[in-house]
Amino acid sequence: GENVEQHPSTLSVQEGDSAVIKCTYSDSASNYFPWYKQELGKRPQLIIDIRSNVGEKKDQRIAVTLNKTAKHFSLHITETQPEDSAVYFCAASQGGSEKLVFGKGTKLTVNP
Amino acid sequence: KAGVTQTPRYLIKTRGQQVTLSCSPISGHRSVSWYQQTPGQGLQFLFEYFSETQRNKGNFPGRFSGRQFSNSRSEMNVSTLELGDSALYLCASSTGWETQYFGPGTRLLVL
Repeated sequence: GENVEQHPSTLSVQEGDSAVIKCTYSDSASNYFPWYKQELGKRPQLIIDIRSNVGEKKDQRIAVTLNKTAKHFSLHITETQPEDSAVYFCAASQGGSEKLVFGKGTKLTVNP
Repeated sequence: KAGVTQTPRYLIKTRGQQVTLSCSPISGHRSVSWYQQTPGQGLQFLFEYFSETQRNKGNFPGRFSGRQFSNSRSEMNVSTLELGDSALYLCASSTGWETQYFGPGTRLLVL
């Protein structure tokens, strides 16, 4: 079955710096890759997603890139702010399946 | 639109008991998926229901079961509770094609 590895497990940056979180997946059939942000005690919130027919997608300060050949995808957050502090999860699934396989999460801390 | 809701939000049970959790999806969404979140194992897929049929199943024992009603609301049942079942149980709804929106979760503590 699908396996998703996520790195790093913790990341600390200064406000205004960029943050990058990387994930690799094992199943070449996976074609949908969402990213979720989970603040302490809150539900996971979808922040951006990408499908395998797209190499990059941006939404304001957030971008995701996908390399299908290498089977990895990354989340990029620019101009980080303290409110970006949270745990970020990557996930993968196959088209038509709602079964998301998640990475273990990255705890991002943005220091003022 | 109202978001995904889950009840109850908190639950304390003892070993051997059973528990039923409820999830109401976003209006118009026909798919409901359930996930277990623990500090050690992270987010793990339990099962997914679409139009009252189980469409996908994760690697959990048969003590974990679910169902979906004609109004798309879903319930999850765990029988013969074990200490290791203590977790945050999240449901997520979608139209049935990928983008899933999570509910606030039910935090279950088994004593």
